[in-house]
Amino acid sequence: AQSVSQHNHHVILSEAASLELGCNYSYGGTVNLFWYVQYPGQHLQLLLKYFSGDPLVKGIKGFEAEFIKSKFSFNLRKPSVQWSDTAEYFCAVTSGDYGNNRLAFGKGNQVVVIP
Amino acid sequence: SQTIHQWPATLVQPVGSPLSLECTVEGTSNPNLYWYRQAAGRGLQLLFYSVGIGQISSEVPQNLSASRPQDRQFILSSKKLLLSDSGFYLCAWSVPYSNQPQHFGDGTRLSIL
Repeated sequence: AQSVSQHNHHVILSEAASLELGCNYSYGGTVNLFWYVQYPGQHLQLLLKYFSGDPLVKGIKGFEAEFIKSKFSFNLRKPSVQWSDTAEYFCAVTSGDYGNNRLAFGKGNQVVVIP
Repeated sequence: SQTIHQWPATLVQPVGSPLSLECTVEGTSNPNLYWYRQAAGRGLQLLFYSVGIGQISSEVPQNLSASRPQDRQFILSSKKLLLSDSGFYLCAWSVPYSNQPQHFGDGTRLSIL
């Protein structure tokens, strides 16, 4: 079964600092990759996704992620964070059949941006 | 557009009582449906998924069960709640046989006393 690793569960940084969250997965076959974000008091929403093509994908709010197949990684980055980026971030990878679209989630990164 | 509804938003139940959480999806047909439990520092754990009416797959053994009586309705149940059932439960849907992401409901905060 697919497993997803996210390190550094708690991240605290100041506004304008750069952010990078690591995500590694175990299955080496064809995968679809996602980053979800959960802002305080809100539902989980999609930040960005990778299916194929350019391994550098850009999402909403200035976030981007790079798929490196040889490293089984899909790290999330933002060059300059804002206070409003305070949220929990989850990496997810497809883990089931194409028909059922099951996802395996990492444990999440709780990011706090200090004004 | 598609929407997903979960209710109730919060629920406090005594140990040993039954449970029924509902999730409905609008604006799409034959979606894949999912129930997750989210715990702090532990991410999202997939509990059940369904690819059609009456079809339920369980991911982990537990005190809970799921049912899909209608195409766009997914219910999470228990006959007797345990303290360990406390948590935040999320319903999600996706388009089958596609690369589309899953879409999540607002969740239910369940507290067992």
